[in-house]
Amino acid sequence: GAVVSQHPSRVICKSGTSVKIECRSLDFQATTMFWYRQFPKQSLMLMATSNEGSKATYEQGVEKDKFLINHASLTLSTLTVTSAHPEDSSFYICSARGRPGKEPQHFGDGTRLSIL
Amino acid sequence: AQSVTQLDSQVPVFEEAPVELRCNYSSSVSVYLFWYVQYPNQGLQLLLKYLSGSTLVKGINGFEAEFNKSQTSFHLRKPSVHISDTAEYFCAVSDDGTDKLIFGTGTRLQVFP
Repeated sequence: GAVVSQHPSRVICKSGTSVKIECRSLDFQATTMFWYRQFPKQSLMLMATSNEGSKATYEQGVEKDKFLINHASLTLSTLTVTSAHPEDSSFYICSARGRPGKEPQHFGDGTRLSIL
Repeated sequence: AQSVTQLDSQVPVFEEAPVELRCNYSSSVSVYLFWYVQYPNQGLQLLLKYLSGSTLVKGINGFEAEFNKSQTSFHLRKPSVHISDTAEYFCAVSDDGTDKLIFGTGTRLQVFP
């Protein structure tokens, strides 16, 4: 089946640091990738949608300058949390999909980000 | 806009008992429906999906769900649960023609021996 790899699985860093999270589709070409944020014991909140080769579409309330998304190839998207602060601590999950519409999203295992 | 309601935040059940996790969505002309499972500190794994056709959908790990258009529901069922089914379960919906998945708030299934 479709496999999505997310790296790193856990990051602990100091306030003010920028952190990059990678999301790779290992056995299919992902025309669209999605980035979600999940707070403890809550659902997934979509942050942004990225299509290969174009700018990401951010959801309302998500700062595009804070959460930089790059989808440079059909198998890789990155999320960079710039100048991270403790309130950015969360579980970040990416997903990827081949064809739009009926194709389900395949999820990575998530990244636990802790900002001290 | 679409929305998804999972009425039960937690469902405790004994091993080998049947279980139903409820999901209702706001009405739309055409929707795709999904159930995902999340184990601790992991991403989401697709259990099953409804796109069209038969309203009874069978998924992995013995789960099934029934699409009921008149009641705008997509409840997840399993006739006999195992300890290993303990996890968070999310119902999700997407509109025909859109890319976005809208998730419910999740149901924590806890299976006791």
